[in-house]
Amino acid sequence: EPEVTQTPSHQVTQMGQEVILRCVPISNHLYFYWYRQILGQKVEFLVSFYNNEISEKSEIFDDQFSVERPDGSNFTLKIRSTKLEDSAMYFCASSEEYGYTFGSGTRLTVV
Amino acid sequence: AQSVAQPEDQVNVAEGNPLTVKCTYSVSGNPYLFWYVQYPNRGLQFLLKYITGDNLVKGSYGFEAEFNKSQTSFHLKKPSALVSDSALYFCAVSPGGTTSGTYKYIFGTGTRLKVLA
Repeated sequence: EPEVTQTPSHQVTQMGQEVILRCVPISNHLYFYWYRQILGQKVEFLVSFYNNEISEKSEIFDDQFSVERPDGSNFTLKIRSTKLEDSAMYFCASSEEYGYTFGSGTRLTVV
Repeated sequence: AQSVAQPEDQVNVAEGNPLTVKCTYSVSGNPYLFWYVQYPNRGLQFLLKYITGDNLVKGSYGFEAEFNKSQTSFHLKKPSALVSDSALYFCAVSPGGTTSGTYKYIFGTGTRLKVLA
């Protein structure tokens, strides 16, 4: 069964550093998403991406965040200058329409 | 505002007994409804979805859910719980169709299911 692959599985970074979280969506999917979950809490929408541009973003997704699909297969989330409160599990998802496949997540720890 | 409520933080049930995990929503239009399960340190695994049609939806691992439009609910059920069903369960709603290239999900806060042997 096709999978969404996320790397790395765990990243530790110092406050103020830039991080890039990587995702390989399912190849024939058209819609791409990033969500985050702060330690066992609610899963929060960050951003959706369609047709090579952001289609919707939440208030969490401020100027420190950006997404890119640089080569037609990868889908990345960049956090420019990490803060302690960015520590969370970040999930990538892709879909043809409304049925997502989620990746297994990247646990980001900001110290 | 659109929202999803899972009123119980935790549900405890004895193995072999039926289980129900509750979900209600407040979304305009005809929403699409989903249940996901999360095991410790793992991602979100799809259980089932309601898009249209029969109100009773059957999904993975013997789970089912009933869509009730008048009560705006989508409760998850299983006739006989297993210890291995112990996990965190999330209800999610997509407002239905794309407005600008998105099928965004709104998640509930999650319900921890504990099945006791």
